[in-house]
Formats: sequence, C-alpha cells, structure tokens
Amino acid sequence: QVTLRESGPALVKPTQTLTLTCTLSGFSLNTTGMCVNWIRQTPGKALQWLARIDWEDDKFYNKSLKTRLTISKDTSKTQVLLTMTNMGPVDTGTYFCARNEYSAKSGYGGIDFWGQGALVTVSS
Amino acid sequence: SNDLTQPPAVSVSPGQTATIMCSGNKLGEKYTCWYQQKPGQSPVLVIYQDTKRPSGIPERFSGSNSGNTAALTISGAQAMDEADYYCQAWDAYRVLFGGGTKLTVL
Repeated sequence: QVTLRESGPALVKPTQTLTLTCTLSGFSLNTTGMCVNWIRQTPGKALQWLARIDWEDDKFYNKSLKTRLTISKDTSKTQVLLTMTNMGPVDTGTYFCARNEYSAKSGYGGIDFWGQGALVTVSS
Repeated sequence: SNDLTQPPAVSVSPGQTATIMCSGNKLGEKYTCWYQQKPGQSPVLVIYQDTKRPSGIPERFSGSNSGNTAALTISGAQAMDEADYYCQAWDAYRVLFGGGTKLTVL
C-alpha cells in the first residue's frame, strides 16, 4: 500500500538549515504523473504548501519561500528531500510530505496520501 | 494571509446539512479539493476535482465550484464528521490552501 514517512530533526536552532527526508513506499516517482509535495502546518493550524517535485524531476516552489527551499529526490526515486535554510521560530510546525497524481487528460487530482508529519521546533 | 478564504467555524445539528464555503479569485476556473483533519491526524482527501469523491468517502460528502466560490456540503452530518476542513486549489503549478474551518456537530 502507499505510504510516505517523514524523518528529520525535531529541534533546530535559529539560522540553521533544516533537512527533511520523505521515504516512499507502494509507488515510485519513476511513474508518469507521480508528484510529491512538502506541506507544513503551523501551530495556528494553517496549511502551507512549500514545494513539489514530479516524475520528470521538475521542481516547483512557494514563491514567498523559494530562496530558502530546495527539493530533490534520490536516484532510486524512493526518497524526497527538502532543505530549508535560515530557520527561524516562525518555521516551527509539522512538516508533511504528501503525494498527488497528474494526468495530461484530467489535470491534477487531490493530494491523496499524506505522511504522519514531522514536528520541527525552532529554538535556541 | 491565506490565498483562499474560509469561515473559521461552522456548526450543525446531527442529521442536518452543513455547508462550508471557500472563496478565491476566479476559483471556479481552478480544480478545488477538500480535506478533513481530525486532532492529531494528517489531512484526508474527501473531495477532488470539485465534485469527485475518493474511494471510501461517504456519499454524504459532496462538492461544487463556480464563480469565485467552492463549497463542501455534508448531508446528514454525523458526530464523526466533527473536524477541521480545508479547501485547496491548483493554480498552475502552485497549491493554494484555505485557512480551515472547524466544523462542530452538536
């Protein structure tokens, strides 16, 4: 079955760089139409889309955070990485990786599988 | 601020119909999805491409989208439907989210 699992540090200091890993199971980013997103949820509860990588290795970023984000995948296509530089207290929240599919015929479907989320706290 | 606007809270009596609205510029021209999130859990997709239900989502969940407004309707709301609901739209390559609506069933 399809699963995604986030891993990374629970605590980072201000100005540090955060690196999160999403491990995929039950599907492959080699498959046409597959995409993986990073989405975060702040303590105030709002969801914020951060970045997406697709089966063709195209990468898309939230405009307001673009200069701080890098999304990539490993050559085996079983892991997706996200790095976010210059972390600050406002970046505290739960970081999710989540899958969506794209079809040339029907466009984007929903974000249909989510990881359990990784709680990241930014504090000195 | 969020790209899409939702009311912070909606309440409904059990068995009645709940409607949660989501507004955004030319939202009707974009595919919209809805997610349900219960405390301590990850979001669950309940509606995609405006009106479609994923496998396993009850028929009481339905969606619509026109003009600048999308809506999630829960017909015959049950206690288990009490949760936060988020709308989401695809805007070219971007993913837009609403601020979320807390649905109370009482």
